[in-house]
Amino acid sequence: DTAVSQTPKYLVTQMGNDKSIKCEQNLGHDTMYWYKQDSKKFLKIMFSYNNKELIINETVPNRFSPKSPDKAHLNLHINSLELGDSAVYFCASSLGGRRGNIQYFGAGTRLSVL
Amino acid sequence: QKEVEQDPGPLSVPEGAIVSLNCTYSNSAFQYFMWYRQYSRKGPELLMYTYSSGNKEDGRFTAQVDKSSKYISLFIRDSQPSDSATYLCAMSAGFGNEKLTFGTGTRLTIIP
Repeated sequence: DTAVSQTPKYLVTQMGNDKSIKCEQNLGHDTMYWYKQDSKKFLKIMFSYNNKELIINETVPNRFSPKSPDKAHLNLHINSLELGDSAVYFCASSLGGRRGNIQYFGAGTRLSVL
Repeated sequence: QKEVEQDPGPLSVPEGAIVSLNCTYSNSAFQYFMWYRQYSRKGPELLMYTYSSGNKEDGRFTAQVDKSSKYISLFIRDSQPSDSATYLCAMSAGFGNEKLTFGTGTRLTIIP
């Protein structure tokens, strides 16, 4: 039973399109995250939500909008996709607070913008 | 200069060898230090977790933190082909809900 699941696993789309990636965790965690991993494997935090409240918002273009309908779900919507958005996007979750360092990752969504 | 520096490798060693992976960092506020392992086309998984300076051992894996030198290490003893993966160090300052700062990862291959 997958703890942190992301859909879709692969996403190939044209520049200018709008797309969404969904994430769900069944660990009962309070905090969820979105990371971007570039072609050089560098993993960088984008957003974090705790109990549906945005707590980390790194310098990310406002074309990226996270949405958390409940604490088990964190979706990422991307408007007007650009070539530079091509990357692997990982969702993660944790108990938050002092245990926020122990994060569990999904398998990633490989986004290719053509 | 990045906050966390990690030699990207690739690193290839024969099976059974001792592997040493390292990261240096510049932010003296970091107190929590993690090592994540990432297999190809998978998400990172937590391997080791340490707080402040010192050593922590878990089976064939030992994590070392030297805060005075801003240097952390992961040692893998009796390396196995199944250890072939990318190893990412990660750190945080430990205030509330955590923002992890990752190294770029070291790609490791264990040759049978």
